[in-house]
Amino acid sequence: GENVEQHPSTLSVQEGDSAVIKCTYSDSASNYFPWYKQELGKRPQLIIDIRSNVGEKKDQRIAVTLNKTAKHFSLHITETQPEDSAVYFCAADVAAGNKLTFGGGTRVLVKP
Amino acid sequence: NAGVTQTPKFQVLKTGQSMTLQCAQDMNHEYMSWYRQDPGMGLRLIHYSVGAGITDQGEVPNGYNVSRSTTEDFPLRLLSAAPSQTSVYFCASSPGTRYGYTFGSGTRLTVV
Repeated sequence: GENVEQHPSTLSVQEGDSAVIKCTYSDSASNYFPWYKQELGKRPQLIIDIRSNVGEKKDQRIAVTLNKTAKHFSLHITETQPEDSAVYFCAADVAAGNKLTFGGGTRVLVKP
Repeated sequence: NAGVTQTPKFQVLKTGQSMTLQCAQDMNHEYMSWYRQDPGMGLRLIHYSVGAGITDQGEVPNGYNVSRSTTEDFPLRLLSAAPSQTSVYFCASSPGTRYGYTFGSGTRLTVV
């Protein structure tokens, strides 16, 4: 089955700096790669996603890049703010259907 | 539009008891999934469904049953609760392949 590895597991950045989280996946048939943000005690919420026919996608301060050849994708957060502090999860679909496998998560702490 | 509704929010069970976690969505989504979230383990797929009458196993299905008799509802049954099933359970739904999941608010289950 699909295996998704996520790094780093924790990330501490100064407010205003950039944060980068990287994920690798094993199934070359995967075509959909969403990112979720989970604040403490809350549900995961979709923040951005990318499909395999696109190499990069931006939404204000967040961006995701995808390298299908290398089977990795990354989340970039620019000009970080304290409200960006949360756990971020990457995921990849399994081609048979919309079944998502999640990475282990990255705890991001933005220090004021 | 309530989204994905999970009940109960909290539950304490004794070892060996059975119970059903309820999940309902009002977005007419075909795809639904159940995940469990343990500290440091990310989100692991228990069971999923791609439509009424169709279910399949995820990564950690043992000890759990599901059924999907309607598009709206996807209950998760614990057959004989064990302490290892202490976790936060999330139900999620999606319109279909290559679309993000919307998560419910979760059920925090403790088995003593």
